[in-house]
Amino acid sequence: AQKVTQAQTEISVVEKEDVTLDCVYETRDTTYYLFWYKQPPSGELVFLIRRNSFDEQNEISGRYSWNFQKSTSSFNFTITASQVVDSAVYFCALWEGSGGSYIPTFGRGTSLIVHP
Amino acid sequence: EPEVTQTPSHQVTQMGQEVILRCVPISNHLYFYWYRQILGQKVEFLVSFYNNEISEKSEIFDDQFSVERPDGSNFTLKIRSTKLEDSAMYFCASSELGLKETQYFGPGTRLLVL
Repeated sequence: AQKVTQAQTEISVVEKEDVTLDCVYETRDTTYYLFWYKQPPSGELVFLIRRNSFDEQNEISGRYSWNFQKSTSSFNFTITASQVVDSAVYFCALWEGSGGSYIPTFGRGTSLIVHP
Repeated sequence: EPEVTQTPSHQVTQMGQEVILRCVPISNHLYFYWYRQILGQKVEFLVSFYNNEISEKSEIFDDQFSVERPDGSNFTLKIRSTKLEDSAMYFCASSELGLKETQYFGPGTRLLVL
């Protein structure tokens, strides 16, 4: 079983639509971190958000919001009113470990295409 | 705005050759990372580095790989004897306080092993 599952390989939306990218993780650790990264067509990686396992508070940053639910082991990412510039591959990652040392496992990514 | 830089942007090498990929992290950052991404695939963690030593490494990071911070500014990844399957994009990243802070990525080095 994969530790991080991003079941949506590709999502295609029209500009201004809302879109949710799913991330389901699997871990036995009680302390872990969840990250989302963006990789636009230019290829660079951009950190978007980090959550630790003890902080289930949802977060909103502009048009981006994240819903962390430990009960379902999910950390979903929603883009409101999508724009063409949101077109990218989005990776979810689980950082597991202890004592200050953690190793990430990335999901396979979801390719988001926003059409004008 | 400070940024992580990587050189070279592209490198082509012959199988069996040694390569050194260079990264200059943001100056006040203490944690450094290398990742790789085979074309079209997911990102894979290679190694993290703190206080002049490796903090964690993945199964990929075998004895063909090594990292070094030779002069207090550069952070290098060496592959001793490259294999075809080492062809990938290699990303360096740094953060000020490990996972508690934002990670900043370099633009990557595309390595092609022939």
